[in-house]
Amino acid sequence: AQTVTQSQPEMSVQEAETVTLSCTYDTSESDYYLFWYKQPPSRQMILVIRQEAYKQQNATENRFSVNFQKAAKSFSLKISDSQLGDAAMYFCAYRYGGSQGNLIFGKGTKLSVKP
Amino acid sequence: ETGVTQTPRHLVMGMTNKKSLKCEQHLGHNAMYWYKQSAKKPLELMFVYNFKEQTENNSVPSRFSPECPNSSHLFLHLHTLQPEDSALYLCASSQELRVRVNTEAFFGQGTRLTVV
Repeated sequence: AQTVTQSQPEMSVQEAETVTLSCTYDTSESDYYLFWYKQPPSRQMILVIRQEAYKQQNATENRFSVNFQKAAKSFSLKISDSQLGDAAMYFCAYRYGGSQGNLIFGKGTKLSVKP
Repeated sequence: ETGVTQTPRHLVMGMTNKKSLKCEQHLGHNAMYWYKQSAKKPLELMFVYNFKEQTENNSVPSRFSPECPNSSHLFLHLHTLQPEDSALYLCASSQELRVRVNTEAFFGQGTRLTVV
């Protein structure tokens, strides 16, 4: 069975600094997708960034980038120039590429941003 | 404005009550999901519908009964719940379930359910 592990329950970063959130996953599949979702206090889960497993290039979205290490099954999220609005729960998620590929989430990391 | 709308935002119900949660999406998606989010636990997938057909029931107790009358609407009917069912219930939708389709899920803001 696929599992997603986020080993950091809480993280803190100074405004304008860089922080990296860790995520590892376990799967025997070769075709899958990985996501980072953000859940602010408003509770709505918002997609931050996605990575296709067949792509070697790391995905980037403005201040957000990932370090995808397929062999190590690692998928970390780097947030550069952190802003107060980045404070939220961050969830790493995995989806198998097959027709029944539902999202499997980690437990989340609570990120605090200090002014 | 979110493309996935859930009502109500908050719900308090007794263990003998019957209530329903509603989810509506205006994104033209064909797959819809119910997730349960409890404190200090990963999101738990409850049900999946693809083109109105239920494709997954993740061992959910029968006191939770889903209904998907069309691809835009999803309901979760609740009856004789237990206090441990108190949680945030999230609805999500995605384009569809199909091989090699990179379909991200879009979430609603959830219903905070408290069972007393």
